[in-house]
Amino acid sequence: AQKVTQAQTEISVVEKEDVTLDCVYETRDTTYYLFWYKQPPSGELVFLIRRNSFDEQNEISGRYSWNFQKSTSSFNFTITASQVVDSAVYFCALTGWEGGKLIFGQGTELSVKP
Amino acid sequence: EAQVTQNPRYLITVTGKKLTVTCSQNMNHEYMSWYRQDPGLGLRQIYYSMNVEVTDKGDVPEGYKVSRKEKRNFPLILESPSPNQTSLYFCASSLTRSTEAFFGQGTRLTVV
Repeated sequence: AQKVTQAQTEISVVEKEDVTLDCVYETRDTTYYLFWYKQPPSGELVFLIRRNSFDEQNEISGRYSWNFQKSTSSFNFTITASQVVDSAVYFCALTGWEGGKLIFGQGTELSVKP
Repeated sequence: EAQVTQNPRYLITVTGKKLTVTCSQNMNHEYMSWYRQDPGLGLRQIYYSMNVEVTDKGDVPEGYKVSRKEKRNFPLILESPSPNQTSLYFCASSLTRSTEAFFGQGTRLTVV
């Protein structure tokens, strides 16, 4: 069975702090894909990143960075110098070799206070 | 503009009254899905479709129907809604089975 666990239900930080959102996944597939989505207070789901299981390179995009470690089945997301606009619920998701279905974690609600 | 469009955005209905939530995408995507979002549970897939006339059950299909008669449209049908179907619903589409999904704006459904 496939599973995604986001153990942090809520995180609160002060603006300009760095924050890491944890994501641990379970799958028996050797080929799989991992995603992060952002859900701001307005409710829509915004795609942030996709990573396949054969690419363990870390990725940086502006203040966002992702650390993919197959050895620990983790795909963590770090926001550097957080801003109030980063306040949202963040979801980690997984799809296996067959694709077609995203398995979501429960989400982490990030609150960035000024 | 590339997008997934759901309607309505908000709906309050009574138990047992059939309803349809429409979903349309303009990106020529093969895959389309419906998810429901409930507090503490994240998003769970209801149904998905790999192409026209091809659909399959997701994790929570009970009480729902779908159809894919055209590539761009994927309506969600609740034949006899019940209060436990009160939820936030999202339609999504993706180019292939493994590429990122693009989501509609969501439909907040309340069944009383």
